[in-house]
Amino acid sequence: TQLLEQSPQFLSIQEGENLTVYCNSSSVFSSLQWYRQEPGEGPVLLVTVVTGGEVKKLKRLTFQFGDARKDSSLHITAAQPGDTGLYLCAGALLYSGGSNYKLTFGKGTLLTVNP
Amino acid sequence: DTGVSQDPRHKITKRGQNVTFRCDPISEHNRLYWYRQTLGQGPEFLTYFQNEAQLEKSRLLSDRFSAERPKGSFSTLEIQRTEQGDSAMYLCASSFGGWGSPLHFGNGTRLTVT
Repeated sequence: TQLLEQSPQFLSIQEGENLTVYCNSSSVFSSLQWYRQEPGEGPVLLVTVVTGGEVKKLKRLTFQFGDARKDSSLHITAAQPGDTGLYLCAGALLYSGGSNYKLTFGKGTLLTVNP
Repeated sequence: DTGVSQDPRHKITKRGQNVTFRCDPISEHNRLYWYRQTLGQGPEFLTYFQNEAQLEKSRLLSDRFSAERPKGSFSTLEIQRTEQGDSAMYLCASSFGGWGSPLHFGNGTRLTVT
């Protein structure tokens, strides 16, 4: 059972289009991170969201954390070919009385933006 | 900040051989993580260190796998008696601080077991 479900798994769009990808779970997360990974490289952090309902913007990217801290979305406006990559969400779960945490990744959304 | 470096970038080995990978984290980072990633999947947690102490190991980490972080600096991941199912990208990441701290990943070691 996948703790974090990402959808869609694959997305191919034309340059200039808008898109939204989703990250859903039945678990409540202390925080949630979004990463982008390009072929042959490690994931690179885009943003961390901590508070339920929080919205963060990074240029053309808008990230939202659900009110219940169980889900998140990433919206890209006017996508460009440089946005192509694997978008991963990762949820942080606290345990051991809050002294430790584990970061669990979803399978990712593979985005292709065609020129 | 030179980033997280991993060596080698690629490793091809025959089934049954032992392999060892190295990770050099960002110098001031106290936490170091190993993840495994196969095609079409997100990174799967293997193990993590806080300084030199290995605090958690995933059930994915069979007894053929061992990780060390002597002196709390670089780390090694050894796989003994490799199997074809071990073929994957092995990612190392480091972080500083408590929960929610972002992970800084290396570019991974791609292992192919023939």
